[in-house]
Amino acid sequence: EAQVTQNPRYLITVTGKKLTVTCSQNMNHEYMSWYRQDPGLGLRQIYYSMNVEVTDKGDVPEGYKVSRKEKRNFPLILESPSPNQTSLYFCASSKITGSTEAFFGQGTRLTVV
Amino acid sequence: SQKIEQNSEALNIQEGKTATLTCNYTNYSPAYLQWYRQDPGRGPVFLLLIRENEKEKRKERLKVTFDTTLKQSLFHITASQPADSATYLCALSGGYNKLIFGAGTRLAVHP
Repeated sequence: EAQVTQNPRYLITVTGKKLTVTCSQNMNHEYMSWYRQDPGLGLRQIYYSMNVEVTDKGDVPEGYKVSRKEKRNFPLILESPSPNQTSLYFCASSKITGSTEAFFGQGTRLTVV
Repeated sequence: SQKIEQNSEALNIQEGKTATLTCNYTNYSPAYLQWYRQDPGRGPVFLLLIRENEKEKRKERLKVTFDTTLKQSLFHITASQPADSATYLCALSGGYNKLIFGAGTRLAVHP
C-alpha cells in the first residue's frame, strides 16, 4: 500500500529539548516536503527536498532542520523547540511537485511547553 | 506575494444538494490546481488535479472548473452526503515549484 508514515503521532516536549519527527515513504518519490498547519493559516511549507542530498527552505524554515540521506526518508529536526512551534505537522511526498498528486502522512501533533 | 483565498466561513448544506466551494488566487499564474479533502486531525487526501489549459474536470460526483482569466476555481460536489462533511483545500503550483495551499473551507452536509 502506498503510504507516507510519520512518527510520532503525538508529542509533548519542553522548550529547548531537541526532537526529531521521522517521515518515510514507500513510493520511490523524489519530492518530499514538510508542512505545519495552524488554525486559520492553512498548510505552510517548512522545507522541501527535490531529491537525495537536495533540500531547500520553504516559507517558514526558521527553527527547523531537515536531511535527505536516503530517498525514502525525510526527518524534521527541531534543535531547540519553542512554544511557537506547537502545531500540527505533515510530511508529504510526490513524484513531481505540483503536476502530480501529493501523498500526506497522518500528521504529528506537537506541543512545546 | 501569492495569495489564495477560500471561504473562511463554513458551508452548510442539506443532503442531496450540490455544494460549491470557491478558490480565488492573486499574484500567481499556476499551471496546475489541485483539490484535497482533510478530515479533522488527519492528513489531506488528493481529490482532483486540473491543468491551466483545462476548463473542467470530473470524477464521480466531483467537478472542478478552472478559470485563469477570473483567477478562480470552483469545486462542486453533487448529491452531497453527510460523509462529504470535511475541510476542502485548494492548492496551486507553477509546475516544478512548490505546492501552495489555501486555508480551506469547512463543509457540513446535514441529513
